[in-house]
Amino acid sequence: GAVVSQHPSWVICKSGTSVKIECRSLDFQATTMFWYRQFPKQSLMLMATSNEGSKATYEQGVEKDKFLINHASLTLSTLTVTSAHPEDSSFYICSASPGQGFDSPLHFGNGTRLTVT
Amino acid sequence: KQEVTQIPAALSVPEGENLVLNCSFTDSAIYNLQWFRQDPGKGLTSLLLIQSSQREQTSGRLNASLDKSSGRSTLYIAASQPGDSATYLCAAMGYSSASKIIFGSGTRLSIRP
Repeated sequence: GAVVSQHPSWVICKSGTSVKIECRSLDFQATTMFWYRQFPKQSLMLMATSNEGSKATYEQGVEKDKFLINHASLTLSTLTVTSAHPEDSSFYICSASPGQGFDSPLHFGNGTRLTVT
Repeated sequence: KQEVTQIPAALSVPEGENLVLNCSFTDSAIYNLQWFRQDPGKGLTSLLLIQSSQREQTSGRLNASLDKSSGRSTLYIAASQPGDSATYLCAAMGYSSASKIIFGSGTRLSIRP
């Protein structure tokens, strides 16, 4: 149980275009999902906390107008990288917890490898 | 500001050995601490979650301990196997309203057959 599905697993796009990444909790409802970014051989950096039915909470230094987050339902959050540039190339991962109050482990998607050419 | 450190950054041991991975955190006011495994190009798999009130958790050949007073957690892997080769990450979750989770940089483990 507690499966988080992330799609697509990889995407290549041209500079200036926008890319949408989906994160779905398949067998549980998640009022909160998290989006991370990971550079090669580095750890995960929390980008934002996605809240169902309300605006996302962005970490310091993360541009909210560039990384649009929508949490339309209790099982789906999307991250849209707008006007992507080569420096946005990275590994993006989402996570969610099936429990309340974060007593339950976080479950992660398999990540999306974004390459901007 | 919470900082999570993992030492060593990389570790290579022969198959069958028992090993310990270390994780330290600067702010002891954590809600929980979680250990993850990450295979190359993949997401994270949760291994063990230790609540702040707990001292350790066990799952199969894995045992994780937590000492909040010293700001340390260890992941013990018994009878290591080549399939254990991966990057192991620890993450501390704080009490802030944003429920921020801070990851260590990971330990890349390689088990030699």
